[in-house]
Amino acid sequence: DIVMTQTPDSLAVSLGERATINCKSSQSVFYSSNNRNYLTWYQQLPGQPPKLLIYWATTRESGVPDRFSGSGSGTDFTLTISSLQAEDVAIYYCQQHYSIPFTFGPGTKVDIK
Amino acid sequence: EEQLLESGGGLVQPGGSLRLSCAASGFILSSYAMSWVRQAPGKGLEWVSSICVGGDTTHYAESVKGRFTISRDNSKNTLYLYMNSLRADDTAVYYCAKNLGTGCYATHGYWGQGTLVTVSS
Repeated sequence: DIVMTQTPDSLAVSLGERATINCKSSQSVFYSSNNRNYLTWYQQLPGQPPKLLIYWATTRESGVPDRFSGSGSGTDFTLTISSLQAEDVAIYYCQQHYSIPFTFGPGTKVDIK
Repeated sequence: EEQLLESGGGLVQPGGSLRLSCAASGFILSSYAMSWVRQAPGKGLEWVSSICVGGDTTHYAESVKGRFTISRDNSKNTLYLYMNSLRADDTAVYYCAKNLGTGCYATHGYWGQGTLVTVSS
């Protein structure tokens, strides 16, 4: 199984400041035949189901604010919130869908400082 | 507007069975791969199962293989998860999710609100 790790476990950022979450996979999730990283980021607001933010590691889902961006390739990925807003308080998960079982990272809790 | 509405959760004794349903509206279920993902109370997300377009190909997490069965009824636009031999560690909110596109190896693009399954005597 591909193991997904996230750092940090939690972080508190001032409103308007940058938040950075890292995700690492135990093996590459890059599929060379289509040049895609099978890595997704989800946001889970308190009491809500997860919501898709970023897929193929860097593609922002329609309707997601452009302060959210994804980067990375292979085994190392980053979710960046460029200017944290109050409504971004949530747990953020990465997931690989390169191989079965599709594994999630443990989540990173983002709060306001 | 797309919607996924899960139902069928509840309290069940260890060793018991349950059938979860996920009624889709606003899109044609048969045109998308679909998945179940669960979340134990206060814990993270765990992928459970996926069914590809056509329904002939299914995938399961090792923790549920042989006990759970995913299926779909295209005439009812509904996804199911049949759960047998339930254990305490199956206790979780179960979400159904619509994949982006037809492939099982695709992102879970849209999630329902979830249904809570509690396995306890």
